[in-house]
Order: sequence, then C-alpha cells, then structure tokens
Amino acid sequence: GQQLNQSPQSMFIQEGEDVSMNCTSSSIFNTWLWYKQDPGEGPVLLIALYKAGELTSNGRLTAQFGITRKDSFLNISASIPSDVGIYFCAGPRNFGNEKLTFGTGTRLTIIP
Amino acid sequence: GAGVSQSPSNKVTEKGKDVELRCDPISGHTALYWYRQSLGQGLEFLIYFQGNSAPDKSGLPSDRFSAERTGGSVSTLTIQRTQQEDSAVYLCASTGLGTDTQYFGPGTRLTVL
Repeated sequence: GQQLNQSPQSMFIQEGEDVSMNCTSSSIFNTWLWYKQDPGEGPVLLIALYKAGELTSNGRLTAQFGITRKDSFLNISASIPSDVGIYFCAGPRNFGNEKLTFGTGTRLTIIP
Repeated sequence: GAGVSQSPSNKVTEKGKDVELRCDPISGHTALYWYRQSLGQGLEFLIYFQGNSAPDKSGLPSDRFSAERTGGSVSTLTIQRTQQEDSAVYLCASTGLGTDTQYFGPGTRLTVL
C-alpha cells in the first residue's frame, strides 16, 4: 500500500504565484523522484534526488531531499498555465532497480 | 524507440472477456515495470521484470493477472475474465541499468463494462 503522504492534495493558485508541496514517509528512502502527470499521459520525471540534503533545480522547479531521508519538497516559482497537472513524489525503498512507491499526488490548478 | 510506448491507448471490453496490454520499453532498458492507476489515485505497483524474469510479482491483485516479457524487450500484461474493478489506466515504465529513474509510457486506459 501507499507509504508516502503528499500534501496538499490540491492547490488553486493564480498565474505567477509560487507553489510548494511536500512528501513525507514513515520509512527511509534512498532516492526521491518528482513526477508530473498531464491528463491522459504517463508521469514525466521532473527532478531526481539521490543524496540526503541535496537541493536540485530544474528551471523554475526546485526540490530538496530531506536530511532524515523521510521527506522531500518541490517548489515551483512564478507558475504558468502549463504547470497545471498532478505532481507525484516517488521513490524506491532500496538501491537498484525496484518498484516505486508513489505519493497520493498534488493536483495543481491555475485560476485565470 | 525514443520513449516507452504502449498499446492500445484505449480498450473497452465486456466483463468476463480477456484483454492483453502491450508495452515496448526504451531500447536497451533492462528493467520493466507495470503499474495501475485508478481514477484520481496514485500509481499502484503490479509487477517488475529484470530481463525476462519477474523477481517481484507482489502487486498483481489476483491470479487473473499475469505478465510476460520476451527477448528482454516487449512485455504483455494479460487480464483474464475481466471485472469492472479492473477498469483503470495501466502504465508501463522502463529503467536503464544502474539507475533508479523510471520512464513511463502514456498508458492504456481499460474500461470494463
């Protein structure tokens, strides 16, 4: 079952606002991945984090791997309409190829 | 190919019929995963292949579900005697050797009437 708690479940923001979402786990993860899913599409990888404390940026996106290895956050700055979608955190429990455990998702809606 | 592809993109079937869903992973990727996503939910792991063998089948919900992979490439997920609760989007992902990064296909939307 799901082991990653993601919040908030949904966000309604205006274009240009910054967005912050986070993911917490009761167990340690060795890798944190953030995916975005558009309607009718599979998830697309946004950022991958491999070290505790790591802070990584990808354009307007910034994500951090928590020191305890039990949490991660994703920030989006100056949101634009194409940021709309569902954002998932995910991680394998161990190193190596393994199934991903996914968070419950954060649905981002931009109010015109 | 350039990315993971899945077919069909949509499948509507009647309760009790069998269905086959296909996944073509990224060329050279050794690991292949199947997930299921119910409406408005996160992704649920079904099965994982390393080459042609499946070390982890723990997510298959019942013995009506099976999957195989041949030639270390294409995989087929088969659902026998489909039920309405099988309706979901079935997603496939693949991973290259030595990385945790999974790349997803667009999914197959299965509707069981």
